[in-house]
Formats: sequence, structure tokens, C-alpha cells
Amino acid sequence: GAGVSQSPSNKVTEKGKDVELRCDPISGHTALYWYRQSLGQGLEFLIYFQGNSAPDKSGLPSDRFSAERTGGSVSTLTIQRTQQEDSAVYLCASSLGWGGGKLFFGSGTQLSVL
Amino acid sequence: ELKVEQNPLFLSMQEGKNYTIYCNYSTTSDRLYWYRQDPGKSLESLFVLLSNGAVKQEGRLMASLDTKARLSTLHITAAVHDLSATYFCAVGPSGGSNYKLTFGKGTLLTVNP
Repeated sequence: GAGVSQSPSNKVTEKGKDVELRCDPISGHTALYWYRQSLGQGLEFLIYFQGNSAPDKSGLPSDRFSAERTGGSVSTLTIQRTQQEDSAVYLCASSLGWGGGKLFFGSGTQLSVL
Repeated sequence: ELKVEQNPLFLSMQEGKNYTIYCNYSTTSDRLYWYRQDPGKSLESLFVLLSNGAVKQEGRLMASLDTKARLSTLHITAAVHDLSATYFCAVGPSGGSNYKLTFGKGTLLTVNP
């Protein structure tokens, strides 16, 4: 596609519910990243996928967070039993492998947990 | 732990003036990124700096990297209103986890007519 596509753009959920956020990277980009942007914490790394390698999940804040990437393309970030502190903008980015190249960011999913 | 500090965090300037945004980081790195974010929008890549002494320019913006000083600067020349946005620097640590970018808190730039 033309750019990184994320859906939904906005998600309002009740505390305790599960949510799934979707990211469709730029075609041909082997690296995919999830970041979280919140007022208090700024931009935080969550998880990194590169090709068929095991993902780096070291930025996931708790075991309620998980992510997968199917077929080396689309990725889903799942948050179980959402809490109010999970409210943030979740940004996905992709790049052509890793060699210091540009990360192209999607427009994000604004998650609000009530 | 890699720390990235930007200053100033808020910058209000008049059109036509010059100013510099600074980005300091705490551990060894040889790759630094500058991004722009407009309100309610995502991040747009401005510059990728990969080596000591790297300088890149686009329009009224020029970015440089000094890896020895662990410092990058984003210089704005003859500012115009369209440059109003939040600017972030992001640093990738040296070594195997260099994809794990740490972002500064951002500099909110407002250019007044």
C-alpha cells in the first residue's frame, strides 16, 4: 500500500475488556515496530518484528500485552483486560529491514479506556 | 539505559528568525533521527543521521550529528509559519538492539507571523 495503515483510528473501551489493534505495513518492508505515545511517558518502544526472526518484546509493559505478525506482513497488538493507564496513541511503523533507514509511521490508534 | 534529552521543550519564534533545537543522548550511538509531528497526525521522518559529522539539509531545516559529544542539532533558518509542529529526535543504541529507538520528549515549535 501507499503507507502504513492502522485500524481502528479510534477505540473507546471499558476497563477490563480486550482490544485488538491492527497494522498493515508498507509492502516489502520486513521490519515492523509498535510504539506507544502518551502525554506522561512520551514515545515508548513496545515490540519489534524483523522477517522471520523472533520478535523483541522487551518493551511490552505487562503480560496483558501481546503482538503477532502473520505471514511477515499484518500485525495485531492485543491488550487484554484493559486498564485506564493503557489509554494512549498506539503507533505502528515499518522499514526496509534494519540498516539505519527511515521508519514510516502509521497515523495511529487512539485508545481510550473508560 | 539510553536517555535522550531535547531542549528547549517549547519554542516560540517569529517568522524570519533562526533558532536551534538540541538533542543530547547518554550512551554510544551512531544513528539519530529527527521527526516532525503535526497536531493529531503521525510522525514524519525528516532526517536520518548515521555517522559522526553527518549534516543534512532540507529547505529551512538542517540537522547535524556529533557522536563524540553525543549531540545533534536541528537548525531552523528564517522560520515560516508552516514549520510550526512538534519535533522529536530519536536515538538507536549501538549494538544488537539498535532498532530500539529512544525518543526525546519533543520540542513544540510555534512560529508567529
